[in-house]
Amino acid sequence: GDSVTQTEGLVTLTKGLPVMLNCTYQTTYSPFLFWYVQHLNEAPKLLLKSSTDNKRTEHQGFYATLHKSSSSFHLQKSSVQLSDSALYFCALSDGQGGRALIFGTGTTVSVSP
Amino acid sequence: EAAVTQSPRNKVAVTGGKVTLSCNQTNNHNNMYWYRQDTGHGLRLIHYSYGAGSTEKGDIPDGYKASRPSQENFSLILELATPSQTSVYFCASGDRGLYAEQFFGPGTRLTVL
Repeated sequence: GDSVTQTEGLVTLTKGLPVMLNCTYQTTYSPFLFWYVQHLNEAPKLLLKSSTDNKRTEHQGFYATLHKSSSSFHLQKSSVQLSDSALYFCALSDGQGGRALIFGTGTTVSVSP
Repeated sequence: EAAVTQSPRNKVAVTGGKVTLSCNQTNNHNNMYWYRQDTGHGLRLIHYSYGAGSTEKGDIPDGYKASRPSQENFSLILELATPSQTSVYFCASGDRGLYAEQFFGPGTRLTVL
């Protein structure tokens, strides 16, 4: 069945450094990928999304490119800020007309001064 | 902006008791969802609905029922609560479609003793 894999559970880094969060997926449908961010004690919110192969999509300094050849949708930022400390989920639309999203297990990003 | 509210925000229940979690959305979205969030599992779909009067089983429906009496309201019911259902529960709403964003409520922290 469809699935999403996030390999890092926790990423710790210093303010100003770049970050990349890995996301790979499996689906038999045309992929629609999302990144959601959840700050502590808050609801998840959409960060960015894409369904276009090899096109970079950006929002709030974060960017990701859907690569269908490698089934990947990694999230990157060139210089993290303290406010980027949060839980990040990669999600896949399950191809059944909006039945639901399939979420990865999430990656916690912790940024120190 | 999209508005999804949940009540209660925190709940302590006893094993074997009945628990009802409520969700209200003012976005006029057709689809509504219930997820639970547990460390290491991400967000897992319990039940969802395509509109008033409809409910569908998600990936982990055992021990849960759902009710969608109106476009705006979607409830999650635990008839016989168990400690394994201790979790944070999120309600979400969204339009139909593979690329539709889901808007999440603030979550309900449920503890079953």
